[in-house]
Amino acid sequence: QVQLVQSGSEWKKPGASVKVSCKASGYSFTSYAMNWVRQAPGQGLEWMGWINTNTGNPVYAQGFTGRFVFSLDTSVSTAYLQISSLKAEDTAMYYCARDEEDFWSGRMGAWGQGTLVTVSS
Amino acid sequence: DIQMTQSPSSLSASVGDRVTITCRASQSISSYLNWYRQRPGKAPELLMSAASSLQSGVPSRFSGSGSGTDFTLTISSLQPEDFATYYCQQSHSTPPTFGQGTKVEIK
Repeated sequence: QVQLVQSGSEWKKPGASVKVSCKASGYSFTSYAMNWVRQAPGQGLEWMGWINTNTGNPVYAQGFTGRFVFSLDTSVSTAYLQISSLKAEDTAMYYCARDEEDFWSGRMGAWGQGTLVTVSS
Repeated sequence: DIQMTQSPSSLSASVGDRVTITCRASQSISSYLNWYRQRPGKAPELLMSAASSLQSGVPSRFSGSGSGTDFTLTISSLQPEDFATYYCQQSHSTPPTFGQGTKVEIK
């Protein structure tokens, strides 16, 4: 069955960087786009953008440009989210979510379990 | 960006109750409306897409309706696993946006 397994919780100091991984299994990795979604503590869901798993081309939502980078390693069916120059307000649960289409539809049919990133001195 | 507004923000109900959640878009999104359930401490899961199309494996007690700007999610008979937060989300245009969520609590 389709599974997305994310890397474990991270505790970082302000200014540091973090890289979250999302390993896919149970389907052809390059046949579906991958979304990233943020959920701040006690808050709702916020779409960060998506990456084309065929071309590696990322699309970032407003507010997620500059410090946020989506990348892939198709050889191991894994998507990555890297956040640099971390701030306290980056503290959140980060989810990868597989799109229902190869290009992008915005329908997110399978989700990773989430990676909690805590930024604190 | 298209704003999605859910009501109510929270509700209390009992097992077996019929529950309806509404979602309104700030502009027409045709039927590009998806519903997710997020159980406490868990990732969201897609229940319904295209306003009324149930995802595979989702129980038939869930139903959806609407088009344009107004949509509803109905749970015909609430089960213990349905106590969760529900989000609507439009996929009509980028960025896809979510409602603020409706928390369904045990009465």
